[in-house]
Amino acid sequence: NAGVTQTPKFQVLKTGQSMTLQCAQDMNHEYMSWYRQDPGMGLRLIHYSVGAGITDQGEVPNGYNVSRSTTEDFPLRLLSAAPSQTSVYFCASSWGQGKYGYTFGSGTRLTVV
Amino acid sequence: RKEVEQDPGPFNVPEGATVAFNCTYSNSASQSFFWYRQDCRKEPKLLMSVYSSGNEDGRFTAQLNRASQYISLLIRDSKLSDSATYLCVVRDDKIIFGKGTRLHILP
Repeated sequence: NAGVTQTPKFQVLKTGQSMTLQCAQDMNHEYMSWYRQDPGMGLRLIHYSVGAGITDQGEVPNGYNVSRSTTEDFPLRLLSAAPSQTSVYFCASSWGQGKYGYTFGSGTRLTVV
Repeated sequence: RKEVEQDPGPFNVPEGATVAFNCTYSNSASQSFFWYRQDCRKEPKLLMSVYSSGNEDGRFTAQLNRASQYISLLIRDSKLSDSATYLCVVRDDKIIFGKGTRLHILP
């Protein structure tokens, strides 16, 4: 049972480049989210999804797109990378709303130069 | 009032001592509550859920006070391996994380 798998683990981008951070879970969780974590800022919600075909914005959605074509996958796209997007990105999944917490992926460390 | 607030610490506590953290939340309709642990440069991991009647898991005790809108985590007989950041998490229609409380257990 792999849990939540994020790829890549590390990435360096040049300003203006685009890329997709991959996230897959094998637990049949309905709920998936993307967070970024910066020093002193805690975890901030970028986008989330309550099921296949449904996505919504979180606290800091600008510069990011998501889609949820399957239950398993929830990729995060950076449209035109900026140095302000240098961060650690975590994907997480959970059973539907209610008493369940999140399972996190191991994170992607992104540097934009 | 921020949605979820925690004292950032750090709490520097000698090994074997008891330490407690509190976390306040703003949405009285919040349904579920959790404590997570995060080690440096690692992903957060679920430590325990918090139930209305309070619950215990070994050296860890979690409590919920809905009237005052706070949750607490008590760690007894602290170990060096307890050094980490502890995140308070509140769930209503979203899952909201506090910024975390840093704990350093001193030998």
